[in-house]
Amino acid sequence: QKEVEQNSGPLSVPEGAIASLNCTYSDRGSQSFFWYRQYSGKSPELIMSIYSNGDKEDGRFTAQLNKASQYVSLLIRDSQPSDSATYLCAALEAGTALIFGKGTTLSVSS
Amino acid sequence: GAGVSQSPSNKVTEKGKDVELRCDPISGHTALYWYRQSLGQGLEFLIYFQGNSAPDKSGLPSDRFSAERTGGSVSTLTIQRTQQEDSAVYLCASSSGYGQPQHFGDGTRLSIL
Repeated sequence: QKEVEQNSGPLSVPEGAIASLNCTYSDRGSQSFFWYRQYSGKSPELIMSIYSNGDKEDGRFTAQLNKASQYVSLLIRDSQPSDSATYLCAALEAGTALIFGKGTTLSVSS
Repeated sequence: GAGVSQSPSNKVTEKGKDVELRCDPISGHTALYWYRQSLGQGLEFLIYFQGNSAPDKSGLPSDRFSAERTGGSVSTLTIQRTQQEDSAVYLCASSSGYGQPQHFGDGTRLSIL
């Protein structure tokens, strides 16, 4: 069974701090990874994609991939209360199906 | 349209009835996907379309579930003889091709009484 594991949280950080979200995946064959943000009652919104080892930065977000350790992370700098949501890590399986973790709930307090 | 459009947004039906859920992908996106999200189960893959064909149906939970796509655009997910465990949010996503990022619609919240 191919799996993506995330700590469910909640992860609580003060406004302006760095939030660090992590996930691990079981299938060494996975090549593409995605982070989605999901607000309560809403659908997932794509925020980052990463395909190769190392860091990828987009604004306040940095995704990190380490294929040897089968580990993906998302850093959110200068966290804002509007970042409070559930963050879903997903691995692309055979180029088609996204395998999702259960999500980490982030709470940013002002 | 600008994004993935799904209808209806909410559907309440009685156990044993058939339901049809519709998805209109982002214009120009050739790949279309159905997922469902239920409490405690997370997001699970159901089926993938490339054009009008479905090379990956591995996630359909039973033969009561079927889907089709016509004209390389709109897709319909049909659930026959609905059961209470079918209650979930059904999400459609599309992408510009194989392996590309998937963008989700707002979903259809299905409740089986």
